[in-house]
Formats: sequence, C-alpha cells, structure tokens
Amino acid sequence: GENVEQHPSTLSVQEGDSAVIKCTYSDSASNYFPWYKQELGKRPQLIIDIRSNVGEKKDQRIAVTLNKTAKHFSLHITETQPEDSAVYFCAAVATGANNLFFGTGTRLTVIP
Amino acid sequence: GAVVSQHPSWVICKSGTSVKIECRSLDFQATTMFWYRQFPKQSLMLMATSNEGSKATYEQGVEKDKFLINHASLTLSTLTVTSAHPEDSSFYICSAPDSGTNTGELFFGEGSRLTVL
Repeated sequence: GENVEQHPSTLSVQEGDSAVIKCTYSDSASNYFPWYKQELGKRPQLIIDIRSNVGEKKDQRIAVTLNKTAKHFSLHITETQPEDSAVYFCAAVATGANNLFFGTGTRLTVIP
Repeated sequence: GAVVSQHPSWVICKSGTSVKIECRSLDFQATTMFWYRQFPKQSLMLMATSNEGSKATYEQGVEKDKFLINHASLTLSTLTVTSAHPEDSSFYICSAPDSGTNTGELFFGEGSRLTVL
C-alpha cells in the first residue's frame, strides 16, 4: 500500500517568512495530493490540492509543487501570518482507491 | 463544497457504557465513509471503511466487535464504541468522498471528542 512521509514534524517561522513542508510517497499509482490544515480540536480543512498532470499550483500565498519522478510534493506558504499556525497534513491517493493516506503532520508555529 | 456533519462533537461517558457517533453527508450521497481516530499531536489513523449495504472493512489491529460500524443509508454511517474504557478516549473523525463526482477529495466531519471516565 501507499506510505506517505512528511517532514518536518514541527516548524517555527517568524511572521512574514516562508514555510515549506515536504512529503514523499511510495505508490506510483497515486495521482491526487491534497493538503489539509487542522486547528486544534477541529476538522481538517482542505487548503490546496494538486493532481499528477501538473507540476505546480498556486493559490494566493499557498503553493504546492509535485515531482512525480522523485515521488515528492511540497507545500509552500509565503508571507506567513499568525493565523497560519496549525497542523498541516499531506495526503496521497490513487484514482478509484478513495481512501487518502495521510502524512504524519507538521505543526507550524508562526511567531508574531 | 460538500458538507459532512458529525454528532456529537463531544461526549463524556462512564467506563463500560457504549457510545454512538453519527456521520451524515448533508448534500451528497456517500457510498463509502471513513472513520479515523486521532491521538493528541498525531496524524489521522484510519480505523475502518464503512460501505453502504455491506460490512465495514477494518484496518489491521482495530477490533470490529469493539468499534461497530453501520452504514444504514447513502447519507449516514454510525460508529459505536462498545464497552468503552479510558484508553478509548480520543478524537474520532469521519470523512466521505462525494460518490457522484469521484474527484478523490474527502470531506470531513467536525470530529467527536470522546472522554471515558
């Protein structure tokens, strides 16, 4: 089955700096890669996703890159703000498989 | 986007009692729903896949008699924690893909925090 690894487990940045979270996956059949933000005690919220037919996607301050050959994808947050502080999870899934395989999470802290 | 509602959001119960958690897809049909358990500061651990009209599929190490799952309709799945013990205290979350679109995106419930005394 799929194995998703995520690094780092914790990340602290100064407000305004950029944050990068990296994930690797093992199943070459995976073709959908969402990123979720989870605040304490709340449900995960989809913030951005990418499919295997593109290498990069951007939505305002958030971008995701995908390298299919190396089987890794990354989340980039620019101009970080205190409200970006949360736990971020990457995930991977292959079409038809339905179930997402989650990374172990990254706790991002943005220091004002 | 699609909405998944989970109830109750939190519950406190005595050891030995059973607790039922409901997961509903409000504006779409979900032939499949997933149940996760999340310990503090950890990732979501898939417990089981709930299938409408058939038995749930449990992940390795998850006791099916302990965590009863019923997928009664295309919009409702329930998780019952039977004879709960303090070690069952956790955050339980359900999710569902929109069977109609099959994009791969999952929609999560609000989560249920269970505390067993």
